[in-house]
Amino acid sequence: EIVMTQSPATLSVSPGERATLSCRASQSVSSNLVWYQQKLGQAPRLLIYGASTRATGIPARFSGSGSGTEFTLTISSLQSEDFAVYYCQQYNYWPPWTFGQGTKVEIK
Amino acid sequence: EVQLVESGGGLVQPGGSLRLSCVVSGFTFSSHWMSWVRQAPGKGLEWVANIKQDGSEKYYVDSVKGRFTISRDNAKNSLYLQVNSLRAEDTAVYYCARGARYGEYWGRGTLVTVSS
Repeated sequence: EIVMTQSPATLSVSPGERATLSCRASQSVSSNLVWYQQKLGQAPRLLIYGASTRATGIPARFSGSGSGTEFTLTISSLQSEDFAVYYCQQYNYWPPWTFGQGTKVEIK
Repeated sequence: EVQLVESGGGLVQPGGSLRLSCVVSGFTFSSHWMSWVRQAPGKGLEWVANIKQDGSEKYYVDSVKGRFTISRDNAKNSLYLQVNSLRAEDTAVYYCARGARYGEYWGRGTLVTVSS
């Protein structure tokens, strides 16, 4: 089973700053990776699929990059509504869906 | 607007059973794989099961095989998860999601608490 590892566990960022989140796969998953955002008490929301394609309605400040085993989610200028937990998930080998443990983006 | 609404959660004793439901609207249910994902309190996401459009393929995470059953009724735009032989470690919010490979849209979840 593919293991997804996210870093850091917590990222403290000031509003307006850039946030860079990392996700690593234990073996290549090509570009078959998604990112989700989950706010406290809410369901996850799909942000990025295919490693770099924004889902419907997702603002352009969210961008994804990478392929193979190394992936990055960048939020170019953090807004107050962006403070949340972010998960990556691979879908190159499914089932099962395998998620990273999450990165919490908090206000600095 | 795509909507997924789960129900059926609650407090149940170890060894008990529940039937979780997810009613969808805003898209053609019968055209999409559907999935269940759970999240234990304060923990990350764990995929549980998914089912093909016509119900002919079903997949489960190893920890629930033989205890949970996923099903669907396309005429009722509904997805189900029968959860039997519940254990404390099954305590979680259970989300239904559209998609085979990842969750394109998600419901708000239903909480299952297994405790004596």
